Amino acid sequence: DAGVIQSPRHEVTEMGQEVTLRCKPISGHNSLFWYRQTMMRGLELLIYFNNNVPIDDSGMPEDRFSAKMPNASFSTLKIQPSEPRDSAVYFCASSPTGDSQPQHFGDGTRLSIL
Amino acid sequence: AQSVTQLGSHVSVSEGALVLLRCNYSSSVPPYLFWYVQYPNQGLQLLLKYTTGATLVKGINGFEAEFKKSETSFHLTKPSAHMSDAAEYFCAVSDLGFGNEKLTFGTGTRLTIIP
Repeated sequence: DAGVIQSPRHEVTEMGQEVTLRCKPISGHNSLFWYRQTMMRGLELLIYFNNNVPIDDSGMPEDRFSAKMPNASFSTLKIQPSEPRDSAVYFCASSPTGDSQPQHFGDGTRLSIL
Repeated sequence: AQSVTQLGSHVSVSEGALVLLRCNYSSSVPPYLFWYVQYPNQGLQLLLKYTTGATLVKGINGFEAEFKKSETSFHLTKPSAHMSDAAEYFCAVSDLGFGNEKLTFGTGTRLTIIP
């Protein structure tokens, strides 16, 4: 079975540019999560969706970050404009609905803002 | 809100020795608890989870963890370390409540295996 698919795997861009990260969750999973991982701050939850609706976006750093889930099989995380401090590995995860369900992670997008 | 504390950001053990990674949680009610492993340049993979029932949970790759309510702990163990166990390990707790699928992760423990 296909797992969570993220693209691109690596992204290098200049400060001020728009960055779009993409995620395809596992088919049938109702919840989708975006995380950011850095050495300094560890793993941070940015936002999560349930049935395509944003439930909790309290982890989104600021207005430069936005996330959408137009349908059950696709989500995007956008940064505009990007800044060097946004450099991190961004993970997408999905899970079935329910508080005992484990999350399944993609392999991440390594983002470098120059 | 739930929280998780992982004692020791780095642990080194010799190949063949016991692996013990510590995790303590804070909660007024028994939560759901998870251990994940992250290999370099990969996402997190589920090792095991505790929901209800038996307090000793067995996972993949020979790992197990025991839920101890009196100690609010969920430590991860493996009797004999293998070189392939070198990775970062994360303990996580699930916020309770129907429809609330959020996980709160610990800061991680990097496990190094000494040949």
